Amino acid sequence: ETGVTQTPRHLVMGMTNKKSLKCEQHLGHNAMYWYKQSAKKPLELMFVYSLEERVENNSVPSRFSPECPNSSHLFLHLHTLQPEDSALYLCASSPTGRFTDTQYFGPGTRLTVL
Amino acid sequence: GNSVTQMEGPVTLSEEAFLTINCTYTATGYPSLFWYVQYPGEGLQLLLKATKADDKGSNKGFEATYRKETTSFHLEKGSVQVSDSAVYFCARRGGYNFNKFYFGSGTKLNVKP
Repeated sequence: ETGVTQTPRHLVMGMTNKKSLKCEQHLGHNAMYWYKQSAKKPLELMFVYSLEERVENNSVPSRFSPECPNSSHLFLHLHTLQPEDSALYLCASSPTGRFTDTQYFGPGTRLTVL
Repeated sequence: GNSVTQMEGPVTLSEEAFLTINCTYTATGYPSLFWYVQYPGEGLQLLLKATKADDKGSNKGFEATYRKETTSFHLEKGSVQVSDSAVYFCARRGGYNFNKFYFGSGTKLNVKP
C-alpha cells in the first residue's frame, strides 16, 4: 500500500466516548500533520510532528490528544468531544518539516459527534 | 485572521471555458505557495507549487505564478473540463515562521458539459 492512509474513514461517536483516529504513511517521510476541515472554514492545522517530536500545537483543546510513536504512524485520541468538533480530519505527511516541502494528504476521517 | 484570501465560490463554468481563481496572501519573508485540489469524497492533493518569486508552477494544464509585488498566486487554466470540478485551496507556508501552514477557505468549481 502506498501514500497516506487513514482509518476509520467514517466515525460516529457520543460526547462521552473515547476513540482514536489512525494515520499511516508509506512514503518514508519524517513529518506528519493533523488538520481539521469544517464546512465553509479554512483548513485548520492542529498538530505538527517532525521526527516524532511535536513542534507545533495550534491552541487545540486538550480533548484532542496526538500521539506519534514513529515516523510512519500518527494517532489522534479523542475524548469528551463536542458536537462542534464534527468535521473531516485530515492527516498529511512531508519529507521534512521544511516550508518548501510538499504535503501529501490522506483521504480523511469524517467524524460526527452526537 | 487568515493570511490567505481566495475568491469565494462556487464558480460555475462551461466546458472549455477559461478559469481564474484569485489568491492573495500576507506574509513576511519569502513563503512557499501551493494550490491543492480536493475531489468529492477525497483528501487534498497537491496541484502545483512555487517556492520563490516569479516561479511558475504548472500541472495538468493549470498554472500559477508567484507574484511577490502583488502578493498573489492566481490559478489559471485555459480550457476546463468536467473532470476539473472540485474544490481548490490556495495555501502558503513559511516566511519567518516555517512551521506555519495557512490555507484559504477553498473555491468550489463546477464545470458543466
